[in-house]
Amino acid sequence: AQSVTQLGSHVSVSEGALVLLRCNYSSSVPPYLFWYVQYPNQGLQLLLKYTSAATLVKGINGFEAEFKKSETSFHLTKPSAHMSDAAEYFCAVKGSNTNAGKSTFGDGTTLTVKP
Amino acid sequence: DAGVTQSPTHLIKTRGQQVTLRCSPKSGHDTVSWYQQALGQGPQFIFQYYEEEERQRGNFPDRFSGHQFPNYSSELNVNALLLGDSALYLCASSPGPRNTEAFFGQGTRLTVV
Repeated sequence: AQSVTQLGSHVSVSEGALVLLRCNYSSSVPPYLFWYVQYPNQGLQLLLKYTSAATLVKGINGFEAEFKKSETSFHLTKPSAHMSDAAEYFCAVKGSNTNAGKSTFGDGTTLTVKP
Repeated sequence: DAGVTQSPTHLIKTRGQQVTLRCSPKSGHDTVSWYQQALGQGPQFIFQYYEEEERQRGNFPDRFSGHQFPNYSSELNVNALLLGDSALYLCASSPGPRNTEAFFGQGTRLTVV
């Protein structure tokens, strides 16, 4: 079984500041991990994924995440926030033995970017 | 290349009615998964279809059923609607049952009154 905990349902940063969204996971098998972004009234867009290759994963729009097995974490970062980054972010996990379609999602973190 | 398309985009139904939602996967994808996203929550896995069969199912009652057609498109049916079924229903497709990437549609917003 897998589960995800996103720490902080709301995060607010100033434009140009570091973005850090936290995700901790639990998995009974080696995990695959994902970060998705959701804009209002839209579906989910994949930002990046970890599939047991490099532990530091680079994604779209300047985001990256580091898989830390010892901490069971997969935090999402971006060095400099942009106004267009304001959205809902979801961390998801799946066991490496199942299809990506059967993923377990966290409850999301709403990112607000202040001018 | 069209991505994952869902219809309708919005729907209002009365409690006790039945509803059918539709999904066309991304070109080249043969696996379709459905998720329910209640307001303020993350998506919850409902079930997954591959080769026209339900392969995996989440913790949802039998009121939720589905179908996959030979062209890989899929339908989600919900019977005896409850107020609590109001949510955004998301369809995701992937190129094969073991692929690590799922592409999501825009969703269908279902409101039960």
